Amino acid sequence: GESVGLHLPTLSVQEGDNSIINCAYSNSASDYFIWYKQESGKGPQFIIDIRSNMDKRQGQRVTVLLNKTVKHLSLQIAATQPGDSAVYFCAENRKDTGRRALTFGSGTRLQVQP
Amino acid sequence: EPEVTQTPSHQVTQMGQEVILRCVPISNHLYFYWYRQILGQKVEFLVSFYNNEISEKSEIFDDQFSVERPDGSNFTLKIRSTKLEDSAMYFCASSGTQGNTEAFFGQGTRLTVV
Repeated sequence: GESVGLHLPTLSVQEGDNSIINCAYSNSASDYFIWYKQESGKGPQFIIDIRSNMDKRQGQRVTVLLNKTVKHLSLQIAATQPGDSAVYFCAENRKDTGRRALTFGSGTRLQVQP
Repeated sequence: EPEVTQTPSHQVTQMGQEVILRCVPISNHLYFYWYRQILGQKVEFLVSFYNNEISEKSEIFDDQFSVERPDGSNFTLKIRSTKLEDSAMYFCASSGTQGNTEAFFGQGTRLTVV
């Protein structure tokens, strides 16, 4: 599950700070969005999802914000920890067609400095 | 916690050979998927499988690829006559009942075609 990420945007934050990772999605008809975390050598791990009838959803230490007007999704991580270091992908899906395939974004590498 | 398991973790094969990548999805899940991730690139959808048949496939999933659920637990991806460009991480995923599209991913199989 490595994304060597030679071309990945990288966000570097200090431990304890809040992180905001952004994603622009392409399909205005998408109605379901997921954030995945991918650590080196592992598969994508579900973090949080949001449906298009919402603009905000909170989990444990994470918040996802959805702005459908500008097709923008963000993931906020509170009190970032070294274990949060990974590549983060947004993924989108359009459920009304019955499709279940996810379309992934290109990812952002989060580096947490101790 | 239930998880998707994949074997082998790493497969090296010669160009032109056939490979079978194996997955054991989460036991009560109904939808199964294969995704791939070429090094440094985004995760790409290959195929979804439901009720013992392909429900959706991408343009990547051509005649070289096939999937099978040979028994009640395994889900396989066969790649015939492998090419150098098939080298990638291949992820299996599964998701549950209708309306729940949260997909759980396995750790992946790294396929190297030489």
